[in-house]
Amino acid sequence: EDKVVQSPLSLVVHEGDTVTLNCSYEVTNFRSLLWYKQEKKAPTFLFMLTSSGIEKKSGRLSSILDKKELSSILNITATQTGDSAIYLCAVTGGFKTIFGAGTRLFVKA
Amino acid sequence: EPEVTQTPSHQVTQMGQEVILRCVPISNHLYFYWYRQILGQKVEFLVSFYNNEISEKSEIFDDQFSVERPDGSNFTLKIRSTKLEDSAMYFCASIPLASGRPYEQYFGPGTRLTVT
Repeated sequence: EDKVVQSPLSLVVHEGDTVTLNCSYEVTNFRSLLWYKQEKKAPTFLFMLTSSGIEKKSGRLSSILDKKELSSILNITATQTGDSAIYLCAVTGGFKTIFGAGTRLFVKA
Repeated sequence: EPEVTQTPSHQVTQMGQEVILRCVPISNHLYFYWYRQILGQKVEFLVSFYNNEISEKSEIFDDQFSVERPDGSNFTLKIRSTKLEDSAMYFCASIPLASGRPYEQYFGPGTRLTVT
């Protein structure tokens, strides 16, 4: 059965800390791994990763995929209170997308 | 910037009633998805749709569910006889091409369905 597992499930940090969120997957016909940020409603897109070892970067966020280990990490440096959200990892296999349960990040001022 | 829209934003219905959730994908997008998210739980894939056909569906997407693209813009999810456990946020998403190449999915704002 296809599955996506994220860890930790929740995390509380102070502003300025660096965090690393983990995602591991077992999905047949892998096409891509996506990271989303979910605050109040719909997930908003952060990154899409298809190739191993190539880091994607956007401001303080970065992500990398390891297809050998079937995993990905999302790093957030110099966290801010506005980073507080649920971070979702999703893997597209075939014509479906499987989401992990998410990591709930809370950044304290 | 073009975006996926969904209506209504919130629908309350009684158990056993039929509901239709509507989505307008981004205009040049060809591949569509429906997801649901029960409160406090993870986003679950329901169905993917291309060229007026279902491409893939999950075990959640049983005979009570159907999808349709009734015209060139709308994409609908119908639940024939709602159950209490259908209460969830339903998200529509779309991608630009249907070639199977990986693309980020653009999510709509969601419809919150409450079944009483």
